[in-house]
Amino acid sequence: AQRVTQPEKLLSVFKGAPVELKCNYSYSGSPELFWYVQYSRQRLQLLLRHISRESIKGFTADLNKGETSFHLKKPFAQEEDSAMYYCALSTLTGGGNKLTFGTGTQLKVEL
Amino acid sequence: GAGVSQSPSNKVTEKGKDVELRCDPISGHTALYWYRQRLGQGLEFLIYFQGNSAPDKSGLPSDRFSAERTGESVSTLTIQRTQQEDSAVYLCASSPYGWGGTGELFFGEGSRLTVL
Repeated sequence: AQRVTQPEKLLSVFKGAPVELKCNYSYSGSPELFWYVQYSRQRLQLLLRHISRESIKGFTADLNKGETSFHLKKPFAQEEDSAMYYCALSTLTGGGNKLTFGTGTQLKVEL
Repeated sequence: GAGVSQSPSNKVTEKGKDVELRCDPISGHTALYWYRQRLGQGLEFLIYFQGNSAPDKSGLPSDRFSAERTGESVSTLTIQRTQQEDSAVYLCASSPYGWGGTGELFFGEGSRLTVL
């Protein structure tokens, strides 16, 4: 069965410091991974997906199949990055995609 | 509407009562998902619809939970004989993609259920 692990419930960094939110997964098939973000009083939304190899709001994430990881990184944290971040693994199920989410990491950027 | 709409936003009920939660997906989205988020936990998959059929309902925790969808429109999640452990935020999401899609889901704001 698929599983997504985010070991940190809370990560607190100072503004301008580097950020790394950890995500590990277990899945026997070919993984598709995503990061979702929920800002205060907003709905959960997609931040980035590994297949796009994109940088969104300065965040990047590289899929490491050897370490089964998909850590989210940003070189310089900003106050507006404070939010809840969820790593998610997409698997094909009976005609569609099912996203399995981790438990989330609350990122707090302090001034 | 512009996004996924869920109602009610908050529901307080007594143990043993039935509740119905409603989700209006984004127009044209064929796929619809229900997730549950208990306090301090991650999102737990409940059921997935493609059109009005449910290819994957493996996440429904018991036979007290059921869901239906009308065509590619509204879905209702029904919980019968509610228990205190059913207290959670129930999130609905829709997607324009079906099989082999990109995995991007568009979420509603959720329905917070409290069972006393």
